[in-house]
Amino acid sequence: GAGVSQSPSNKVTEKGKDVELRCDPISGHTALYWYRQSLGQGLEFLIYFQGNSAPDKSGLPSDRFSAERTGGSVSTLTIQRTQQEDSAVYLCASSQDANYGYTFGSGTRLTVV
Amino acid sequence: DQQVKQNSPSLSVQEGRISILNCDYTNSMFDYFLWYKKYPAEGPTFLISISSIKDKNEDGRFTVFLNKSAKHLSLHIVPSQPGDSAVYFCAANSGGGTSYGKLTFGQGTILTVHP
Repeated sequence: GAGVSQSPSNKVTEKGKDVELRCDPISGHTALYWYRQSLGQGLEFLIYFQGNSAPDKSGLPSDRFSAERTGGSVSTLTIQRTQQEDSAVYLCASSQDANYGYTFGSGTRLTVV
Repeated sequence: DQQVKQNSPSLSVQEGRISILNCDYTNSMFDYFLWYKKYPAEGPTFLISISSIKDKNEDGRFTVFLNKSAKHLSLHIVPSQPGDSAVYFCAANSGGGTSYGKLTFGQGTILTVHP
């Protein structure tokens, strides 16, 4: 597609449930990133994929968070046993050209009630 | 530990005047800096970048200045337009002079340009 696509755009879930967030990067982009933005905060790095491997997953806040990427394309971010502090906008970005910044998707707004 | 700081949460300017957004960083390993613009309900969009080997990069109405000794960069928008009203994020990485890899973002500055 023309841009980075994320689904769902909004997700409300009950505390303790698992959620999956999906990212479709721009075709041909080998690098894929997940960030999140909590209320009033800047963007916080979560994980970086190069192809299907994740050379940097240092930003995942706890072992409840995991992510995978298959076929060098689609990525899913899974949050198990969601907590209220997980409420945030989760942003995915992809990159191909080293001289330009990433292209971000519009994000998934996750609300844990 | 906030390695990239945007100390002004908001900035208000008149249309046609200059907007100056500031950003400070603490990590001397950062060698590539970027500015992103974000409208509500949209993802951030890349605006302009600068490598640490330069002190200025210009693209149309947007200029980024880098002062490595002060660990400070700024984004100048001249002339400012109402459509520039958005949240502006400063970001940095140590990607060997490229944008690859993890970016560390500031908290953002809300720019409002009044007609």
